[in-house]
Amino acid sequence: EAGVTQSPTHLIKTRGQQATLRCSPISGHTSVYWYQQALGLGLQFLLWYDEGEERNRGNFPPRFSGRQFPNYSSELNVNALELEDSALYLCASSPGDRPYGYTFGSGTRLTVV
Amino acid sequence: DQQVKQNSPSLSVQEGRISILNCDYTNSMFDYFLWYKKYPAEGPTFLISISSIKDKNEDGRFTVFLNKSAKHLSLHIVPSQPGDSAVYFCAASANAGNMLTFGGGTRLMVKP
Repeated sequence: EAGVTQSPTHLIKTRGQQATLRCSPISGHTSVYWYQQALGLGLQFLLWYDEGEERNRGNFPPRFSGRQFPNYSSELNVNALELEDSALYLCASSPGDRPYGYTFGSGTRLTVV
Repeated sequence: DQQVKQNSPSLSVQEGRISILNCDYTNSMFDYFLWYKKYPAEGPTFLISISSIKDKNEDGRFTVFLNKSAKHLSLHIVPSQPGDSAVYFCAASANAGNMLTFGGGTRLMVKP
C-alpha cells in the first residue's frame, strides 16, 4: 500500500512569492491534514480537509490556504511568503470516520530567502 | 499558549534500560492522546494511543500512562533499543475531533 506522498521534497522561494505544496493521501482515505513544523518547534495544525470541504483551520493568516480535489489529493498554497514561513510542511491522511493515528507523509521543506 | 508541553527537549538512555518520556497538557477537553515517533527526513509515525477513560495502554515494549488529575501522560519504553533513537511527539485531541495538538517533541538517544 502506497503511503502519503508529498511533493516537492524541497522548495526554495523568495520572500513575497507564492508556494504550492501537494499531497496524495493513502488510497481510501478521505481526510487530509496539513501541519507546519518550524525549526525547533512542534507540529502546528494548519488545515483539515474532508470530502472536498475545509473542516477546520488552525491559527494561521489567510495567506495560508488550500483545497482538496475530487480524488482526495490536496494542495497547500502559501501566498506572500515571509521568512518565518520557512518550515517543514507535513501532510497526513486518515479515513474520515477513524481520525486517530493518522499517517503522515515525509514532508516538504520550504525555505524562504 | 501551548496546550501540550514536553518539557524535556532531549533524553539520553543506555540500551536495555527504561526510557520515560513525559507530556503535560492544560486543556481539560482533551479526551484522546497519542504518541508519534519521528526519524530525520521522515514524517511522524503513530506509536501508541490512549483514551481518557483508561489510565494505561500497553503495546509490546511501549506503555502509555495517563494521569487525568495531573493532566500528565508518559510513554515508557522497556527495554530501550538503539533503533528507538528518534524524536517523540505527544499529541491530544478534544471531543473525538480530528485535529491533533502536538507537543514540541523530545529527542531520545539510546546509547549502545
